[in-house]
Amino acid sequence: TQLLEQSPQFLSIQEGENLTVYCNSSSVFSSLQWYRQEPGEGPVLLVTVVTGGEVKKLKRLTFQFGDARKDSSLHITAAQPGDTGLYLCAGASRQTSGSRLTFGEGTQLTVNP
Amino acid sequence: DAGVIQSPRHEVTEMGQEVTLRCKPISGHNSLFWYRQTMMRGLELLIYFNNNVPIDDSGMPEDRFSAKMPNASFSTLKIQPSEPRDSAVYFCASSSYRGRRSGANVLTFGAGSRLTVL
Repeated sequence: TQLLEQSPQFLSIQEGENLTVYCNSSSVFSSLQWYRQEPGEGPVLLVTVVTGGEVKKLKRLTFQFGDARKDSSLHITAAQPGDTGLYLCAGASRQTSGSRLTFGEGTQLTVNP
Repeated sequence: DAGVIQSPRHEVTEMGQEVTLRCKPISGHNSLFWYRQTMMRGLELLIYFNNNVPIDDSGMPEDRFSAKMPNASFSTLKIQPSEPRDSAVYFCASSSYRGRRSGANVLTFGAGSRLTVL
């Protein structure tokens, strides 16, 4: 079973601060995705990274895939209350031809105004 | 498109009762996934279908759980008999994944069905 460990599990910060969330595994993934989930809703895709070392930016969010494709990070600059939510990373396995996604347990982010 | 539609949104039942959760995937999507989310274990994949055929049900916890996909636009997850430890939010997700050459598998989730078994 492939495991994805996310850290920290909980993060509470003030508006305007920067933060980084990590997603680590001992397994290699063919691709890795980040989702955000708000209360009472399902996860919504933010980004997909597929190449080792890849960096993608989505406004104030920067996503990086590790060179060995075993880890990823999400950095948020100048966090806003609207960034509050559960951030989930999910990896696709080569063994299952990429169709099966394994999710980390998530990082619950709270941005206080 | 209305997205992935799940019903019911909330269900409260007593231990031993049968529970049926329903899902309508996005039209044109060929893969359907059932996940369970709890505080303790996060999001766990229960089963997924490709072209209405169950591909991997290794995440189904026990024989009390069963899932069907009789056609491309409908799936059910049934728990019989239900137990308090089955209390969780159950998510259905769909995708149009066609293999690694088509890119990464991007899931669209429904809003979930919150199940409470007393």
